[in-house]
Amino acid sequence: DSGVTQTPKHLITATGQRVTLRCSPRSGDLSVYWYQQSLDQGLQFLIQYYNGEERAKGNILERFSAQQFPDLHSELNLSSLELGDSALYFCASSVAAGWETQYFGPGTRLLVL
Amino acid sequence: QQPVQSPQAVILREGEDAVINCSSSKALYSVHWYRQKHGEAPVFLMILLKGGEQKGHEKISASFNEKKQQSSLYLTASQLSYSGTYFCGTAAGNMLTFGGGTRLMVKP
Repeated sequence: DSGVTQTPKHLITATGQRVTLRCSPRSGDLSVYWYQQSLDQGLQFLIQYYNGEERAKGNILERFSAQQFPDLHSELNLSSLELGDSALYFCASSVAAGWETQYFGPGTRLLVL
Repeated sequence: QQPVQSPQAVILREGEDAVINCSSSKALYSVHWYRQKHGEAPVFLMILLKGGEQKGHEKISASFNEKKQQSSLYLTASQLSYSGTYFCGTAAGNMLTFGGGTRLMVKP
């Protein structure tokens, strides 16, 4: 158990819909990272927040957005969902802002039908 | 650009050694190694920073050659628990980019 929690574990929805994935980092960690893992794309970095501010941006689509709240939990919003958005979405956390040890949550498996 | 990992897959017998390579076309600040078992989240193994430092974690060690922009992960005397997919992640600027993974299977 890494100490990072993610909800929900599984999500099934339809194309065109919007969903919100939630992540609570380990106690004391200020950085939250979001990743997408699909069979054909591997592990893709989406976005990083540090202490409430966006820190780094990866291959995140414009239909996706994220935020980190004052209590440091983070939400990833996925809208206008397409079949290709079906994937495992991981959240990870680390103590500081740099590229250091990241602790991954169990992931949310999203299936878009 | 995604770092390239080789081999893509390897099968070992318990006790055998393996090397997984990771190379990048970009100048690197650090290289990160993770292991992911099927259906689970990636688990951190180690980070190597610029300077060619070799790090170790139990019987798993790694090196980072910043001139060649390459890193290698060494698994010695492999155990059944080593089975999984190994990912290298390369940090450059504000991006952490993962390779496609190397599937390692250790058989009794």
